[in-house]
Amino acid sequence: DADVTQTPRNRITKTGKRIMLECSQTKGHDRMYWYRQDPGLGLRLIYYSFDVKDINKGEISDGYSVSRQAQAKFSLSLESAIPNQTALYFCATSDFGRTGELFFGEGSRLTVL
Amino acid sequence: AQKITQTQPGMFVQEKEAVTLDCTYDTSDQSYGLFWYKQPSSGEMIFLIYQGSYDEQNATEGRYSLNFQKARKSANLVISASQLGDSAMYFCAMRVKYGKLTFGQGTILTVHP
Repeated sequence: DADVTQTPRNRITKTGKRIMLECSQTKGHDRMYWYRQDPGLGLRLIYYSFDVKDINKGEISDGYSVSRQAQAKFSLSLESAIPNQTALYFCATSDFGRTGELFFGEGSRLTVL
Repeated sequence: AQKITQTQPGMFVQEKEAVTLDCTYDTSDQSYGLFWYKQPSSGEMIFLIYQGSYDEQNATEGRYSLNFQKARKSANLVISASQLGDSAMYFCAMRVKYGKLTFGQGTILTVHP
């Protein structure tokens, strides 16, 4: 099983619908992140959390909200999806080690029609 | 603000040849880390190599090496003896404060037989 698991892996929805992307991890890391990937733009940070009581906005948080339900769970919500939120979404974790590298989930491909 | 720039949208290389993927960065922080990730067509993000700003030696991991030129603020990835399986999108990223990574736009590498 993957250390960082995202559900759903693929979702097609309609404009105005509420969508939740879920992320769970077994790595024991405190830090969790949500990124979105768009062609030509790389990965951009939506939200990040350093522990259960800590939530921070990234560079593109408008239209999104998050919930850190436990150390191992970090969910991303789109309250009212719009077509320009069509993207590949990644959850990632990191620890306080020397490199602080990110460990990514497999990605959730969201299409908003 | 931190910025990562990858100026090569696409690169081509012959199998068994070496290839350099360019990455420049901008930060006013003295302590930072630089990363390269690989994203195959299947979509997952694979960590390749890390270089710390205070590391005196260029990082190497198997066929991957990072050509770190601090004064020029560049962190190019060198892949030696390219293989067909190296065909993928490659992202350069930088970590400064609070563990967040900022990503470049990516370079698509195609390895020809």
